[in-house]
Amino acid sequence: GEDVEQSLFLSVREGDSSVINCTYTDSSSTYLYWYKQEPGAGLQLLTYIFSNMDMKQDQRLTVLLNKKDKHLSLRIADTQTGDSAIYFCAERRKKTSYDKVIFGPGTSLSVIP
Amino acid sequence: DGGITQSPKYLFRKEGQNVTLSCEQNLNHDAMYWYRQDPGQGLRLIYYSQIVNDFQKGDIAEGYSVSREKKESFPLTVTSAQKNPTAFYLCASSPPSGWGGTEAFFGQGTRLTVV
Repeated sequence: GEDVEQSLFLSVREGDSSVINCTYTDSSSTYLYWYKQEPGAGLQLLTYIFSNMDMKQDQRLTVLLNKKDKHLSLRIADTQTGDSAIYFCAERRKKTSYDKVIFGPGTSLSVIP
Repeated sequence: DGGITQSPKYLFRKEGQNVTLSCEQNLNHDAMYWYRQDPGQGLRLIYYSQIVNDFQKGDIAEGYSVSREKKESFPLTVTSAQKNPTAFYLCASSPPSGWGGTEAFFGQGTRLTVV
């Protein structure tokens, strides 16, 4: 189908690792993104990965990309209460007139102190 | 500081009224976008504009209208034809190269409630 899929909720204990999973749809997508949304705010780009990469690490964040299965994951090490937010996966698909960015439904991460 | 500003943060509308949401950016971006966010549904594209005086419909344009008279501004009007307008609306902008890795920015959003 057309949809980017994510589970809607995830709950972890402070200090544990969080893994948020995403399944995208277009094997020709060029960029894959993770955005963070705090309550009542806009989206903030956390990290992104080019489609020709398998992994990207940025401090506490690790992105893994499995192109064969069209699966993307975001791992947050040593999760803190400030990481509680909604996390959106998005893929950038090439269209004729512009690159269309498709967002998943978002995963609401709750961090338990 | 460069950024993208949406106003107002909260907006209430009576049924049958049109209402306009403001989006202004000083990032010198050519492309601007409007998204609608509903719980559990991600962001859906309403309209986008790649250049001044030009805009295209996104996936859910019915009941909405836009204008792009200035590079900095891309207001969205929610008309009375929009059957279910209560939602969180997000504006974004990006440079002409498209929605690249780090160049796209979002505003803080406007929460519209129909009363």
